[in-house]
Amino acid sequence: KAGVTQTPRYLIKTRGQQVTLSCSPISGHRSVSWYQQTPGQGLQFLFEYFSETQRNKGNFPGRFSGRQFSNSRSEMNVSTLELGDSALYLCASSRRWGIGKGLAGRDNEQFFGPGTRLTVL
Amino acid sequence: AQSVSQHNHHVILSEAASLELGCNYSYGGTVNLFWYVQYPGQHLQLLLKYFSGDPLVKGIKGFEAEFIKSKFSFNLRKPSVQWSDTAEYFCAVNAQAGNMLTFGGGTRLMVKP
Repeated sequence: KAGVTQTPRYLIKTRGQQVTLSCSPISGHRSVSWYQQTPGQGLQFLFEYFSETQRNKGNFPGRFSGRQFSNSRSEMNVSTLELGDSALYLCASSRRWGIGKGLAGRDNEQFFGPGTRLTVL
Repeated sequence: AQSVSQHNHHVILSEAASLELGCNYSYGGTVNLFWYVQYPGQHLQLLLKYFSGDPLVKGIKGFEAEFIKSKFSFNLRKPSVQWSDTAEYFCAVNAQAGNMLTFGGGTRLMVKP
């Protein structure tokens, strides 16, 4: 079974531009989450989607947005890029959304993609 | 807001040494707990997870972790590390509706051959 795929793998942009990153979840997975990884701040939650609806959002400015399509694929967009947006953006998929207990909890397990390395100059 | 602390930022061990990485979280309710590993140049991979039941959980590659609810801890252990365990290790907590993970700052482990 193919894993989570993210495109593109590398991006170089300049300040003020906008960027769109794409994530294809594992087949059968309906929940997608996004994380930002930087050396200074570590791994931080951006947002998560399930059934085309944003379910949770992290503490990021409104320049960061996302969406999910009916086939569960997701995109995130960053507008008016700043130097501090340089990071590895990780996408994770899981079969379902919500806290589960016991066996059901396994459906919440998140599988991560390789990430998109964004460099803002 | 929930937070996760990993006390060791860098750990250097020789092969065959025992490993214990600390993880503490701040959240009083029901939690799901995870350890992820990121080998150089590779994806984040799940090492092990705790949802409920036996607080001693076993994961891949000989790793185990113990959930101590009274101490809000979920420490990772391995009796004998190998050079191939060189990686960054992240503790993560899911404590609210949804799959959102709050990660610790990570521990870089270097195992000397």
